[in-house]
Amino acid sequence: KNEVEQSPQNLTAQEGEFITINCSYSVGISALHWLQQHPGGGIVSLFMLSSGKKKHGRLIATINIQEKHSSLHITASHPRDSAVYICAVRTSGGGADGLTFGKGTHLIIQP
Amino acid sequence: DTGVSQDPRHKITKRGQNVTFRCDPISEHNRLYWYRQTLGQGPEFLTYFQNEAQLEKSRLLSDRFSAERPKGSFSTLEIQHTEQGDSAMYLCASSLNRAKNIQYFGAGTRLSVL
Repeated sequence: KNEVEQSPQNLTAQEGEFITINCSYSVGISALHWLQQHPGGGIVSLFMLSSGKKKHGRLIATINIQEKHSSLHITASHPRDSAVYICAVRTSGGGADGLTFGKGTHLIIQP
Repeated sequence: DTGVSQDPRHKITKRGQNVTFRCDPISEHNRLYWYRQTLGQGPEFLTYFQNEAQLEKSRLLSDRFSAERPKGSFSTLEIQHTEQGDSAMYLCASSLNRAKNIQYFGAGTRLSVL
């Protein structure tokens, strides 16, 4: 079982719909990241969370540390939001400092 | 453009050849990370540096993989005796420090081993 699980794997929606992407993790973490990856490889960091909620434009990220769960929401979705959204965690307690990634959610927003 | 540069963007090589990739991080960032991403998967952590010190290398996939950051600025990732299974996207990221660990990713080097 992967340490970071995302759902759904694939999501197709109509422009304007409210989008939710979920991330569950099984390890202790010090931070959780949401990233966006466009075709061709470029990865952009959207949020880094350790508690609560963050908002940036139409994007909202929440995390529940007790439940080991995070969600990424997109309001008023637009075709330019089409991308792969990846959840990644930095584990707590020392050790390797790199991120552990989920497999990503491939989002397509149709006009 | 995140400010992290990777070179080359694409590399095609024959099995058994050695390849080297370069990453130039954002100049004031002292942490540098290497990841590998295969098709349909999320990136997989390989190794990271704080300045010139390589603080984690147990995740490197085999002893054919090595990385350096000799002056604490750019880094290189070398794969010796490449195999077809090494074909992947190799991503580099940098961050300012552990506390502010927003990682900025380069566009990656896509390796194809024939």
